[in-house]
Amino acid sequence: GESVGLHLPTLSVQEGDNSIINCAYSNSASDYFIWYKQESGKGPQFIIDIRSNMDKRQGQRVTVLLNKTVKHLSLQIAATQPGDSAVYFCAESGSGYALNFGKGTSLLVTP
Amino acid sequence: EAQVTQNPRYLITVTGKKLTVTCSQNMNHEYMSWYRQDPGLGLRQIYYSMNVEVTDKGDVPEGYKVSRKEKRNFPLILESPSPNQTSLYFCASSLSRGRTEAFFGQGTRLTVV
Repeated sequence: GESVGLHLPTLSVQEGDNSIINCAYSNSASDYFIWYKQESGKGPQFIIDIRSNMDKRQGQRVTVLLNKTVKHLSLQIAATQPGDSAVYFCAESGSGYALNFGKGTSLLVTP
Repeated sequence: EAQVTQNPRYLITVTGKKLTVTCSQNMNHEYMSWYRQDPGLGLRQIYYSMNVEVTDKGDVPEGYKVSRKEKRNFPLILESPSPNQTSLYFCASSLSRGRTEAFFGQGTRLTVV
């Protein structure tokens, strides 16, 4: 079946630096993409989403970039803070099918 | 406050003893689903429901049942739990099946011994 994967299982960044978490998808029919943050002991929480008619979308300290040509999605976190330490999931969806989640990247923010 | 509520948060049970994990949402969402989360495997969908009395299998439905008698509730039933069902379970709801944000509950940590 189609797959959604992440390039790096763990990412360690220093507080104040920018973080970039990458995600590859393989379903060319996907037209909706979403990033979730999961803190220890909690359920996944929505961060930001993007539709396939856009290349970039910005939120508060976060930016999602979508490159449909190479089927690649990234989440950029500006000025990373200790509270950003969590597991981040990308997910993709399209017409008639549910969100398909990647396996997650663990982000560790060091002082 | 918009939320998805699961109960219990933690459960330890023995093999073969039927159990139910409840899930309730207050956002009037039509679509609800159950996931299990295992190390290295990410989130895998167990069952989903498009609306009241409409349920269907997800990717890993074996050993589970669900029901959707009311829009807000979507319980997960394990008729005869086995140790391989030890996992972290999440209920989620959304406006529709795809192309929209899913709201997750806090999770239920189930251990079957």
